[in-house]
Amino acid sequence: DAGITQSPRYKITETGRQVTLMCHQTWSHSYMFWYRQDLGHGLRLIYYSAAADITDKGEVPDGYVVSRSKTENFPLTLESATRSQTSVYFCASSESGNTEAFFGQGTRLTVV
Amino acid sequence: ILNVEQSPQSLHVQEGDSTNFTCSFPSSNFYALHWYRWETAKSPEALFVMTLNGDEKKKGRISATLNTKEGYSYLYIKGSQPEDSATYLCAPGSTLGRLYFGRGTQLTVWP
Repeated sequence: DAGITQSPRYKITETGRQVTLMCHQTWSHSYMFWYRQDLGHGLRLIYYSAAADITDKGEVPDGYVVSRSKTENFPLTLESATRSQTSVYFCASSESGNTEAFFGQGTRLTVV
Repeated sequence: ILNVEQSPQSLHVQEGDSTNFTCSFPSSNFYALHWYRWETAKSPEALFVMTLNGDEKKKGRISATLNTKEGYSYLYIKGSQPEDSATYLCAPGSTLGRLYFGRGTQLTVWP
């Protein structure tokens, strides 16, 4: 199916575990983004990528790692999950900086 | 990190009222201004992307204007309907591709 998809949709993990959230887009968009949704903060940028093998930090990168070996995939890894990382995570992609971004369905992550 | 301010934080209007919100952003190094609509339990969806000073865009009852020199954009909704209830987000785009969102304006339209 064309579009941008995130997996899993829901995840419960324990404190200290490593967890990876997947994001896949079929448009070959250059730019991809990871955001977290937090009450009172809206959408905060964690990491973004301008192209394969090019990534950069956003507002709240601590505790997260990304990679982009292929244009279509942009996985987000929590190296050692903490309760403060409980959130809804959105992946997005866009063709360029002045074109609209398309968002995935979101992944609800709970760290217990 | 860009300082993006949206006002008001929330807004409650009656069906049929027209309303508008403001997005303020640093005018230096302007590249593009995005507006998104975000319904509860869904993903944000793009409304407009504007790049030129004085730009005006319209989609149905929703329109937006852009002033890059003073660093603000207005979003207007004419004749609000209950289905317009959502959070409206703005985000200045940069040449490096970053998209930092404001905290949004939460609109509730009462029937």
